Amino acid sequence: DIQMTQSPSSLSASVGDRVTITCRASHDVGIFLNWYQQKPGKAPKLLIYAASSLQSGVPSRFSGSGSGTDFTLTFSSLQPEDFATYYCQQTYSSPLSFGGGTKVEVK
Amino acid sequence: QITLKESGPTLVKPTQTLSLTCSLSGFSLGTSGVGVGWIRQPPGKALEWLAYISWEDDKRYSPSLKSRLTITKDTSKNQVVVTMTNMDPVDTATYYCARFAVTLTTTPFDHWGQGILVTVSA
Repeated sequence: DIQMTQSPSSLSASVGDRVTITCRASHDVGIFLNWYQQKPGKAPKLLIYAASSLQSGVPSRFSGSGSGTDFTLTFSSLQPEDFATYYCQQTYSSPLSFGGGTKVEVK
Repeated sequence: QITLKESGPTLVKPTQTLSLTCSLSGFSLGTSGVGVGWIRQPPGKALEWLAYISWEDDKRYSPSLKSRLTITKDTSKNQVVVTMTNMDPVDTATYYCARFAVTLTTTPFDHWGQGILVTVSA
């Protein structure tokens, strides 16, 4: 089974900051890596799939990179609506797996 | 417009069997290239994938829960049902169903239901 590890588990940042969070897979997943945003009390929302492809309607300030085992999600300029929890997920092989999440909080 | 909606009991007793239905709108599991998965999230914790079923009836389960889970689809009703046996308080969580489609190369879950909070308590 492939384990997904995100870091940090939480971070504090200010509006306008450039922020990067990381996700590491225990085995090579190629580019089968997706990122989701979840706000309190809401379902997750797909942001990025295939490591770097922006889902339709997602602002371009979000970007993803990486392949193999190491991936990053970057916010070029954090906006008030971006404070949320972010999860990575591998869909390379079953069982599918999510990371433990990174909570982005207001500094 | 693609929507998914979970329904089922919000309170179950320990040892009971949970049955949740995901009602689909705007797409069909009779269509090639789509599928539906179930994911749960205990209060304050991370997402956990449970199972998925594809348009061609390919079924996959979380190994840790495989003995307790069954996923089925009813294409005529456009629904997916998941059952989980022998419920325990640690299974208290919000349960989500979500769609995946092979049109997005890595088949992420691109549409999610609102979720249903299931509490396991005597």
